Amino acid sequence: GQNIDQPTEMTATEGAIVQINCTYQTSGFNGLFWYQQHAGEAPTFLSYNVLDGLEEKGRFSSFLSRSKGYSYLLLKELQMKDSASYLCAPLDSNYQLIWGAGTKLIIKP
Amino acid sequence: TAGITQAPTSQILAAGRSMTLRCTQDMRHNAMYWYRQDLGLGLRLIHYSNTAGTTGKGEVPDGYSVSRANTDDFPLTLASAVPSQTSVYFCASKEASGGANEQFFGPGTRLTVL
Repeated sequence: GQNIDQPTEMTATEGAIVQINCTYQTSGFNGLFWYQQHAGEAPTFLSYNVLDGLEEKGRFSSFLSRSKGYSYLLLKELQMKDSASYLCAPLDSNYQLIWGAGTKLIIKP
Repeated sequence: TAGITQAPTSQILAAGRSMTLRCTQDMRHNAMYWYRQDLGLGLRLIHYSNTAGTTGKGEVPDGYSVSRANTDDFPLTLASAVPSQTSVYFCASKEASGGANEQFFGPGTRLTVL
């Protein structure tokens, strides 16, 4: 079957670094997306990984290990506006996104 | 550019009534999707359309129908609403169904069925 595991909730301090982990099992694999979703809003695209390794984009980086079925999203220099849910979503063999329940990130001053 | 629009923003519906949720995109994307999002669960795919004139069933299609008469519009219809269909509904689109390009989301419709 297809399964995505992410922590339900994490708390971090403004200015710090946080790593949100995601493990997945899918029928086929065509890369993995991370989306950000603020409360009451639509998900918005953050990153896409298809090859193993780290992709850096400003304060956000995303890592993928295909052999381990593992990805993480790294957020640096946390700001209050980073308080949101972060959704891990691998792309299966049919190019359909399989969505995790998301990790709610709470930033404290 | 508006991107994707959805209407209505929110709705309270009596059980047994029918309703159509509207979705329009102006990006000329081929693929469109309807998801529902419930607390504690990931986005679940209801129906999708890879291109105008074609539709397919997702993970949770029962009780819902869709049509794709043209590229821009992808309405979702609830023929006879039930309380378990209370949810937030998101429409999304992407350039091509078979690619790894990102999906763009509409603002969502919050539906309550009583």
